[in-house]
Amino acid sequence: GQQLNQSPQSMFIQEGEDVSMNCTSSSIFNTWLWYKQDPGEGPVLLIALYKAGELTSNGRLTAQFGITRKDSFLNISASIPSDVGIYFCAGQLSGAGSYQLTFGKGTKLSVIP
Amino acid sequence: NAGVTQTPKFQVLKTGQSMTLQCAQDMNHEYMSWYRQDPGMGLRLIHYSVGAGITDQGEVPNGYNVSRSTTEDFPLRLLSAAPSQTSVYFCASSYSEGGVYEQYFGPGTRLTVT
Repeated sequence: GQQLNQSPQSMFIQEGEDVSMNCTSSSIFNTWLWYKQDPGEGPVLLIALYKAGELTSNGRLTAQFGITRKDSFLNISASIPSDVGIYFCAGQLSGAGSYQLTFGKGTKLSVIP
Repeated sequence: NAGVTQTPKFQVLKTGQSMTLQCAQDMNHEYMSWYRQDPGMGLRLIHYSVGAGITDQGEVPNGYNVSRSTTEDFPLRLLSAAPSQTSVYFCASSYSEGGVYEQYFGPGTRLTVT
């Protein structure tokens, strides 16, 4: 099946720093999604990307859909304590019968005040 | 809208017991799915449904059954619980218009099998 490699596995950063994480795939995806999971909660959708090369922002978050369609990046600018959590990428093949999401293993972000 | 709801939030079972994890959504989404989340493993798909009366297996279906009699509900049944099924279980739903399948997750059920 498809494999998603997400890196880094964990990050410790100072409040105010920028953060970058990425996912790479052995397969081509038509959609990339980025989720954040707070402790004890379900994943919450942050950004969805639908076109190769697409760059989308949501507040301090910016994500890009790689040109090769096999990778995606998430950047967080000026981190704050509430950014703490686990960030997951997910790729999806669209089209008939292709409803499944393949998830990366997550990047655990810790922000030091 | 309540979104995706799951019950119970916590459950402890003994090996061999059976139980049903409930999932409901009020967004009229066609697609629903169940995932399990284990440390270091990310989210793995157990079963999914593309509409009422239609279900299919995901990556890790063994030991679990599902049914979809209505659009709103998608229960997950553990037939004979095993310690390997100790995990956090998430239900998700999404609409499927124009090739968009953004999935929305419930709060999870934390299951321990002793």
